[in-house]
Amino acid sequence: DAGVIQSPRHEVTEMGQEVTLRCKPISGHNSLFWYRQTMMRGLELLIYFNNNVPIDDSGMPEDRFSAKMPNASFSTLKIQPSEPRDSAVYFCASSPGTGDSPLHFGNGTRLTVT
Amino acid sequence: AQSVSQHNHHVILSEAASLELGCNYSYGGTVNLFWYVQYPGQHLQLLLKYFSGDPLVKGIKGFEAEFIKSKFSFNLRKPSVQWSDTAEYFCAVNAYTGRRALTFGSGTRLQVQP
Repeated sequence: DAGVIQSPRHEVTEMGQEVTLRCKPISGHNSLFWYRQTMMRGLELLIYFNNNVPIDDSGMPEDRFSAKMPNASFSTLKIQPSEPRDSAVYFCASSPGTGDSPLHFGNGTRLTVT
Repeated sequence: AQSVSQHNHHVILSEAASLELGCNYSYGGTVNLFWYVQYPGQHLQLLLKYFSGDPLVKGIKGFEAEFIKSKFSFNLRKPSVQWSDTAEYFCAVNAYTGRRALTFGSGTRLQVQP
């Protein structure tokens, strides 16, 4: 099993540009989560999907952030326009279920917005 | 809403010292509890989990944690740390509420000196 695959590993962009982060969950997992990690705020849940349907997006900071899961094997997190305060490591995780299933994390995307 | 507190932000130990990292959560009902570890430059990996049963849970690499319901605590322990245990440790909780996603603590950075 290849695990959760995220791309790109690193992204450096200028303020105002659109950024798209990608995630491929583990095959057969029906829950997918996007987390953001910063020094100041730690790990924050942005949004999670169950069976491709967004269940809780209350953690999405602003309308500049959007996430989609068009099918069971792919999800995107988009920031448009990006701002320097969006700089963080963005992790995608998947699990076979919700609640009592451990999360399997990807390697993360380190985003730097200048 | 569920929340998790990790009181120690940065811990420095010498090899062979004993470790205990504190974790408290705020939810009065049934919970699932987790400890994750993040080695430098890597993604989060599951160390151990508690769902029910024996409150003393053993995980990988000699780690264990004890669930004390009356104290809302799930402290992580290891009798003798190694240099390779240098990492950041995250406690996480999922409460049996409508929100079926993990809430993470702010993390504890452990530095083990040889």
